[in-house]
This record gives sequence, structure tokens and C-alpha cells, in this order.
Amino acid sequence: EDKVVQSPLSLVVHEGDTVTLNCSYEVTNFRSLLWYKQEKKAPTFLFMLTSSGIEKKSGRLSSILDKKELFSILNITATQTGDSAIYLCAGGSYNTDKLIFGTGTRLQVFP
Amino acid sequence: NAGVTQTPKFQVLKTGQSMTLQCAQDMNHEYMSWYRQDPGMGLRLIHYSVGAGITDQGEVPNGYNVSRSTTEDFPLRLLSAAPSQTSVYFCASSYSRFSSAGELFFGEGSRLTVL
Repeated sequence: EDKVVQSPLSLVVHEGDTVTLNCSYEVTNFRSLLWYKQEKKAPTFLFMLTSSGIEKKSGRLSSILDKKELFSILNITATQTGDSAIYLCAGGSYNTDKLIFGTGTRLQVFP
Repeated sequence: NAGVTQTPKFQVLKTGQSMTLQCAQDMNHEYMSWYRQDPGMGLRLIHYSVGAGITDQGEVPNGYNVSRSTTEDFPLRLLSAAPSQTSVYFCASSYSRFSSAGELFFGEGSRLTVL
């Protein structure tokens, strides 16, 4: 059965800290790994990763995929209170039209 | 652009009642889907559609029906609500017929409570 596991479940940091969020996956005929940020309402898209070792970057956020070890990390540098959210990762397969989501990491950034 | 619009935002039902959650998108997306989000469970796929007239089951389809008569609309029907269906429901769409091939656009969610 396909699954996606995120760690840690929860993280509390101070502004300015750097955090690393982890996502491991077991997805048959893997196609892509996607990261989303969920604040109060709808998840919003951050990154889609399909190739190993190629970092995707957007401002203070970056992500990379390791297809050999079956995991991805999301890094946030110089965290701000606005980074407080649930971060979701999801695995996609060539076999199906379904995305498998992890349970998310809740990040709280305090001033 | 409106994006993905869900209604209602909040709903309280009694056990056994039926209702429909509405979802509409104005981006001409082929792929539409419904997820439910429960504490500690993440997002779980209920049903999805890769185009008008085509629907399929996700991970947790029991107790829910869907139809896709137009590209824009993808309503989710609860036939006989149960307390286990208390959840937050998200509709999502994608330009690709494969949700794994690109960004999902989510609606703002519908919080359903079944008493």
C-alpha cells in the first residue's frame, strides 16, 4: 500500500531559526512529490519535485528530492511568524490519478 | 478569477439527513477531486474526476456520491449523514488530468458537523 510519512508532526521555533521538514514515501511507480502550505484554510502549492538532487527554491524556502532513499526535505531559513502553518507533502504515481498525502507537519514560529 | 469555489462553508446536519456540497471552478480544469481532512489523518481522497462524465473512487468513498455533468461543477452528495462524516471537506482541481503531474488548486473548505 502506498504511503507518505512526514516528520516531525509538530515543530516550535523562534523567528530567525532554520527548520527542516521531512517527507518519506513509498509510492508504486513514483512520479512526483509535492509540497503544500496550509494556513487557516486551503492548502497552497509550494513545490513539485520529480528529479533527484535538483533543488527547487522560492525565497527562503527550498526543497530537494532523493529518489534512491525515497524522501524529500523542505527547508525554511530565517523563519518568520508568517511561516506558521501546516506543511503537507504528497506523493504521486504514474499508475493512478491519486495523490497520497502525509499527515502534515505543524510549524509554529514565535517572535 | 474566482478559482475553486465551495459552498456552503459551514453546515450542521443531523444523522440520516442528506446534503450536497457544491464545488465549481472557472479555470477549465479537467481534473477535480474531493478530499476530507481530519485531525491526525491528513488529506484523504474521497472521489475524483478526470473529465465531464467520468468519476472514480478514492481512498474513502463510502457514504458519498459524485457526478460530473459539466467541466465546471463537481458536487459531493452525502446520502445519509453519519457522525463519522464530521470533517472539513476540500474540493481541488488541476489543469492536468493527472493530479500527480501538477499543482492542485484547493477551495477554501467546507466544515461539516453531523450530530
